[in-house]
Amino acid sequence: EAQVTQNPRYLITVTGKKLTVTCSQNMNHEYMSWYRQDPGLGLRQIYYSMNVEVTDKGDVPEGYKVSRKEKRNFPLILESPSPNQTSLYFCASSLRTGGSTFRYEQYFGPGTRLTVT
Amino acid sequence: GNSVTQMEGPVTLSEEAFLTINCTYTATGYPSLFWYVQYPGEGLQLLLKATKADDKGSNKGFEATYRKETTSFHLEKGSVQVSDSAVYFCALFDTGRRALTFGSGTRLQVQP
Repeated sequence: EAQVTQNPRYLITVTGKKLTVTCSQNMNHEYMSWYRQDPGLGLRQIYYSMNVEVTDKGDVPEGYKVSRKEKRNFPLILESPSPNQTSLYFCASSLRTGGSTFRYEQYFGPGTRLTVT
Repeated sequence: GNSVTQMEGPVTLSEEAFLTINCTYTATGYPSLFWYVQYPGEGLQLLLKATKADDKGSNKGFEATYRKETTSFHLEKGSVQVSDSAVYFCALFDTGRRALTFGSGTRLQVQP
């Protein structure tokens, strides 16, 4: 089954304790992205990756890191979480087809609800 | 920059009522437009899309037409069901930012 998986689904942690949220897709997609969802703000992009070893900042990258060492995985790292990073996080992936043309349809994971106290 | 504006919810309807959720956008050029749906406790699922002006996207009884002249992409369904209760997000793909720009979402509640 084609899917994007995220782990953990729920996480409660304390300020300053490093954490990693994993994201994996089995569709051989080149493009992957992280979003956070906050009430009244919709979803905002944190980071994205066009391919292995190619990452770039989205709209709200502060306090986050990512890496793309393998095509299927795109972990989100919070080196020193703070309460304002309490949010619902979604990973997404998309097939990129040739040159600058994209298959714009993005597939989303089930979400990770993070609480930082 | 690009932006998407949706009507605020919640929208509460009785089963079999007609649904319209308004969506307008601001963008340079002609971005692809999407409606995503989020059921309680789940991630976002693509509901429908349109990639150029006058395209009509449709799926599961939902429809939306890409209107360039009014920069709109309103979501409609002729007869809603309780199972349609969810949050609906309008979005456009910003090729410059390589990201989806989402509206704030509209919660739909359908009562039996």
